[in-house]
Amino acid sequence: AQTVTQSQPEMSVQEAETVTLSCTYDTSESNYYLFWYKQPPSRQMILVIRQEAYKQQNATENRFSVNFQKAAKSFSLKISDSQLGDTAMYFCAFMKANQAGTALIFGKGTTLSVSS
Amino acid sequence: DTEVTQTPKHLVMGMTNKKSLKCEQHMGHRAMYWYKQKAKKPPELMFVYSYEKLSINESVPSRFSPECPNSSLLNLHLHALQPEDSALYLCASSQAWRSSTDTQYFGPGTRLTVL
Repeated sequence: AQTVTQSQPEMSVQEAETVTLSCTYDTSESNYYLFWYKQPPSRQMILVIRQEAYKQQNATENRFSVNFQKAAKSFSLKISDSQLGDTAMYFCAFMKANQAGTALIFGKGTTLSVSS
Repeated sequence: DTEVTQTPKHLVMGMTNKKSLKCEQHMGHRAMYWYKQKAKKPPELMFVYSYEKLSINESVPSRFSPECPNSSLLNLHLHALQPEDSALYLCASSQAWRSSTDTQYFGPGTRLTVL
C-alpha cells in the first residue's frame, strides 16, 4: 500500500529563519509526482512545489526547495527566509494512478507557525 | 491561470434540507474531484469525475450525490445530511487522468455546517 508519513505535527520558526519539513513515502511505482501543498488558516489549498521522480535535480520555487532522496523515499521541504505568510498547514502528497483513476495520497500534515 | 472556484463559501443547513455545492474551472481540465476535510486533517477523497463520467466513488453515503453537467462544472447535491457531515468540502481539477504525473489544483472550499 502507498503511504505518506509526516512525522512533525507542529513546527515553529522565527521570521527570516530556515525550516525543513520532513516527509517519507512508500511506493513500488517507478515514476510519480510528489507534492507539497500549503493550506493557510484562510483554508485554500495551494500547490507549493512538485517533483517528478525521474528527475534527479531537486525542484525549487523561489524560497521553497525540496530535498528528494528517491532511494530513501524521502521528500523534505525547505523554506528559506521564512515569512509570516508562510504560517499554514503543509501537506506532503503522492500521486497514485491505477485503472480506476488518479488519487492524491496525503500525509497527516505539519502545522508551521512563523513568528516575528 | 490555475483557478478553481467554489460557491457558496459558507453553508448552514438543517438535516432535512436539500442544498447543492458548485465548483467551476476553466483550465480545460478533464478530471474533477470532491474532497471532504475535517479540521487539522488531510482531505479525504469522495468522488472523481473524468471526461464527465463518474470514475471513482469512495463508498460515500448516498445522501451525497455528485453531478458533472459539463467539463467545466461539478456539483455536489446534499440531502438529509447528519451533523457529522459538517466539514470543509474541497473541489479540485486536473488535466489528465490515470497519470501519476498529473497535478491537482484546489478551489477555496465550502464550509458546511449541518444543524
